[in-house]
Amino acid sequence: DTAVSQTPKYLVTQMGNDKSIKCEQNLGHDTMYWYKQDSKKFLKIMFSYNNKELIINETVPNRFSPKSPDKAHLNLHINSLELGDSAVYFCASSSTANYGYTFGSGTRLTVV
Amino acid sequence: QQQVKQSPQSLIVQKGGISIINCAYENTAFDYFPWYQQFPGKGPALLIAIRPDVSEKKEGRFTISFNKSAKQFSLHIMDSQPGDSATYFCAARAGNTGGFKTIFGAGTRLFVKA
Repeated sequence: DTAVSQTPKYLVTQMGNDKSIKCEQNLGHDTMYWYKQDSKKFLKIMFSYNNKELIINETVPNRFSPKSPDKAHLNLHINSLELGDSAVYFCASSSTANYGYTFGSGTRLTVV
Repeated sequence: QQQVKQSPQSLIVQKGGISIINCAYENTAFDYFPWYQQFPGKGPALLIAIRPDVSEKKEGRFTISFNKSAKQFSLHIMDSQPGDSATYFCAARAGNTGGFKTIFGAGTRLFVKA
C-alpha cells in the first residue's frame, strides 16, 4: 500500500491551461503539505493543511489554489499555467506527534 | 532568505569511506533537524533526525552530530556504499513560534565510487 500517493506522475500541458494534482495519504496523519522542487533540486514549501485548515501559505501566486476535502486528501489546482511553473511538485504528510515527513513520489509538471 | 545552509553541493567518496555533509542554521526557533535521502525519480525519504537537546544520534551507518551553540549539524555516513549514492537534504522545523514550517537545505549530491 502506497502511504502518500500523487496523481498524475507526469503532466505535460500548454501555457495558459488549468490543471490539478491530487494527493492522498493513508497514514492517518493530520498535516499535509505541497512542496515545489525546481531544476536545481531545491525544495520550497508552498502550502500546509492541518486537519483541513490552511496553516501555511507561502508567497505563491494566486494561480495556485490548494484544497483539502478531508485530512487524508490535499489537492493542488493551478490556473493559467506559465513556463516557470515547470517543476516537480511533492505532496507530503506528517503527524503532530512525529515531525518527520512522508513524501509522495512527485508529479513532474512540464509547461510548454 | 535561505535559513538552512548546506555544504558541499556535491561529494564523491570511495566505497568504504566516510561521507560528511554539513548544515548551518540561523533561526533559534528550529526544534527538529531531520535528514532526507532522495533517489532519482523518487520523493525524499526521512533518513534520521535529531532534536536540539541531543548532541549526537546514530542509526546504523548514519550519525547526526549537533552543535547547538554553533548552530550547526552534520550527517556522517560510515562505510559508504554505492547504494548510498543519492541527494541528501538537511532540514529544520520551526516550532510553535516559527509556524511549524520545515525548511530544507539546498541538497548534496553524493556519489560513492565502487
